[in-house]
Amino acid sequence: DGGITQSPKYLFRKEGQNVTLSCEQNLNHDAMYWYRQDPGQGLRLIYYSQIVNDFQKGDIAEGYSVSREKKESFPLTVTSAQKNPTAFYLCASSISGGRRTVAYEQYFGPGTRLTVT
Amino acid sequence: GDSVTQMEGPVTLSEEAFLTINCTYTATGYPSLFWYVQYPGEGLQLLLKATKADDKGSNKGFEATYRKETTSFHLEKGSVQVSDSAVYFCALSDRGTGFQKLVFGTGTRLLVSP
Repeated sequence: DGGITQSPKYLFRKEGQNVTLSCEQNLNHDAMYWYRQDPGQGLRLIYYSQIVNDFQKGDIAEGYSVSREKKESFPLTVTSAQKNPTAFYLCASSISGGRRTVAYEQYFGPGTRLTVT
Repeated sequence: GDSVTQMEGPVTLSEEAFLTINCTYTATGYPSLFWYVQYPGEGLQLLLKATKADDKGSNKGFEATYRKETTSFHLEKGSVQVSDSAVYFCALSDRGTGFQKLVFGTGTRLLVSP
């Protein structure tokens, strides 16, 4: 079955430690995204990648880093510079292709809940 | 910039009641509109979408019509079930940006009791 996997589902870290969240997809999508979800708020875009070896900052990139060395994988590192890292993190993917007249939907993984104490 | 506004929740209904969740948007271009659903502890699933004015998206008994004149995309269902309890997100994607960016509303929690 095609889909997006995120691991682990729950992650606990001490303040000051970097932590990497995994995201893998087998949908053959070019574009991948990372979102952050906080209680009572919508999703906010952290980083996105439209193609391998290329990625761009989203709306709240400070304190985060990503890599896109393979089409299937888009790991997110939450660094110690992120002031409030405790949140639910969602990875998504979609068909890409630059400008187009119809938007393609994004497919989401199950999420990773990160707690930093 | 683009934005999406949803009615605040929770929306509490009895089984078989009629559901409406309001969603309005602001966009500079010609956005596509989406409704996503999130069940507890899970990621988001696409519920339905509409890509141009007057389009109606529908799925699993849910419907929403793209109203350009009122910049709205309200979600409706004629008879809700307990299994519909979830958080519903309205979102838009502005196809003029050259990049598939989704802008989400804050979500509306639906609670359906037997």
